[in-house]
Amino acid sequence: AQSVTQLGSHVSVSEGALVLLRCNYSSSVPPYLFWYVQYPNQGLQLLLKYTTGATLVKGINGFEAEFKKSETSFHLTKPSAHMSDAAEYFCAVSPFGNEKLTFGTGTRLTIIP
Amino acid sequence: DTAVSQTPKYLVTQMGNDKSIKCEQNLGHDTMYWYKQDSKKFLKIMFSYNNKELIINETVPNRFSPKSPDKAHLNLHINSLELGDSAVYFCASTQSVSGGFNTQYFGPGTRLTVL
Repeated sequence: AQSVTQLGSHVSVSEGALVLLRCNYSSSVPPYLFWYVQYPNQGLQLLLKYTTGATLVKGINGFEAEFKKSETSFHLTKPSAHMSDAAEYFCAVSPFGNEKLTFGTGTRLTIIP
Repeated sequence: DTAVSQTPKYLVTQMGNDKSIKCEQNLGHDTMYWYKQDSKKFLKIMFSYNNKELIINETVPNRFSPKSPDKAHLNLHINSLELGDSAVYFCASTQSVSGGFNTQYFGPGTRLTVL
């Protein structure tokens, strides 16, 4: 079975500051890992994903995440927050070769002007 | 062009009623999903269909019955609605890959409110 834990249901950062959203996973087989973003009253949009290969993954809107197997983590970062980054962020895991996504409970990111 | 569309966007109904939510994708994908997002934003898979065949059924009450008339459509019918069914329901689609995983594309969601 697989699971995802997102530390911090709410994160606030100042505009221009570093964004760090934490995600730890549990999977009995090599995982595929994802970050999705949900803007208010909208569906989920894929930010980035890790399947195999390079452990540092770059996504849209300047976000990136690093897969660390030893720490079972897949934290999302962005060097400089922008007001438009305010949204709900979901980390998700899928076991290798399986299309079932298991989501974390989400982290609401607030940007302080 | 909307890749994954859902209708209606909002649905308000009384307990005990039967309602349907429709989903259509124009991406040519062969796999479609229904997810439920509760009031605490927790998102959980309900069903998955591949080429009109049920692949995943996550112990959802049998009041929920998905129907896939063709690869591009996956509808969700809910009988005898209960207060706890109030949530946002998301449809998603992907193109299946043997031994791999393709991105799932999500629809805009249907907010169901049961009074």
